[in-house]
Amino acid sequence: ETGVTQSPTHLIKTRGQQVTLRCSSQSGHNTVSWYQQALGQGPQFIFQYYREEENGRGNFPPRFSGLQFPNYSSELNVNALELDDSALYLCASSLGAQETQYFGPGTRLLVL
Amino acid sequence: EDKVVQSPLSLVVHEGDTVTLNCSYEVTNFRSLLWYKQEKKAPTFLFMLTSSGIEKKSGRLSSILDKKELSSILNITATQTGDSAIYLCAVGPGGYNKLIFGAGTRLAVHP
Repeated sequence: ETGVTQSPTHLIKTRGQQVTLRCSSQSGHNTVSWYQQALGQGPQFIFQYYREEENGRGNFPPRFSGLQFPNYSSELNVNALELDDSALYLCASSLGAQETQYFGPGTRLLVL
Repeated sequence: EDKVVQSPLSLVVHEGDTVTLNCSYEVTNFRSLLWYKQEKKAPTFLFMLTSSGIEKKSGRLSSILDKKELSSILNITATQTGDSAIYLCAVGPGGYNKLIFGAGTRLAVHP
């Protein structure tokens, strides 16, 4: 059974740029959730995709957007990067929208 | 506003000690409470507690949910240096499974 994978592991961008982060869900899982974890804080929910549809969104501006593909992998896109976007971005997958979530290793984004 | 509060924020113990980590929550609709261990990046799932499963145990770790007090504890007995990590508590408020996390408890176990 393959776990959740994310790419890239690290990324450095400058303010105003755009970034795309990728996530492959655990085998058999059809739901992907994205979280932002700032230093010293717990993860904050960005949004969830269930069977390729957005299934809930946290308090993040529209410049945070996502996609889920037919194979249930997912992308998180962030436009017009700001310094405060520097964080660890975690992807979690689950079998169904209400089941236990399993996390990937995350992508650490630094915005300069 | 839904929130999850963990205490203490940090804890330093010696190997062999027993620790108790606390989590309290206020959410509109409660469905489940989850504990995760975060060592470097990926939070690793430990337990899920629900109304039908209020106590879980795995080896030296155990957890109890108190729905009346809206809280949970995570106990670790005979701590080892490998237990050093951030322990995260999260609550699933029902509907789609958005998890609301606390800030975590950073546990350091010294030899």
